[in-house]
Amino acid sequence: DTAVSQTPKYLVTQMGNDKSIKCEQNLGHDTMYWYKQDSKKFLKIMFSYNNKELIINETVPNRFSPKSPDKAHLNLHINSLELGDSAVYFCASSSFLQGRGGYTFGSGTRLTVV
Amino acid sequence: GQQVMQIPQYQHVQEGEDFTTYCNSSTTLSNIQWYKQRPGGHPVFLIQLVKSGEVKKQKRLTFQFGEAKKNSSLHITATQTTDVGTYFCAGCPYTGFQKLVFGTGTRLLVSP
Repeated sequence: DTAVSQTPKYLVTQMGNDKSIKCEQNLGHDTMYWYKQDSKKFLKIMFSYNNKELIINETVPNRFSPKSPDKAHLNLHINSLELGDSAVYFCASSSFLQGRGGYTFGSGTRLTVV
Repeated sequence: GQQVMQIPQYQHVQEGEDFTTYCNSSTTLSNIQWYKQRPGGHPVFLIQLVKSGEVKKQKRLTFQFGEAKKNSSLHITATQTTDVGTYFCAGCPYTGFQKLVFGTGTRLLVSP
């Protein structure tokens, strides 16, 4: 069983469209994250949820809206897609109560906006 | 905001040579983690260091956390082609919630 699974793996869409990426983890972790990796491989945190509560919200355009229906799921909806949104988006999870464990990443969603 | 820089950005070695990447944070960290990302893959957790001056080993990999808890290093002895990938350090500042800030990464290429 995949620990952190993201769908879709690839997403090609036109500018102006709205798209969603889904993430699910079966590790029993209570904290989930969205990271964006650009073409230079920089990994930047976007959002974090702890037990369905938003705890980290970095400087991200409000076209990006995360949603966590339960602590095993974290989705990312993007409105009015722009060329600059092209990147790989990684979902990750960790155990906040454990305090200092590593993050488990999903395999990523490669978003290409044309 | 907090910044975590790594050097070198890129290194190409011959198989069997040693490799070291250095990580420096602009702020003191509660802990530092290291990840490896293979080409086309996702970051995979390697290790976490918590204590000042801590040194940990995993087979050919040696990880160090600086005394001031602002820098760290990863040393690979006798590299193998399977070591190819990008190595990221990631620092967790002293805040109420975990917020892992990733370093800029060091891309390692190993030639046979």
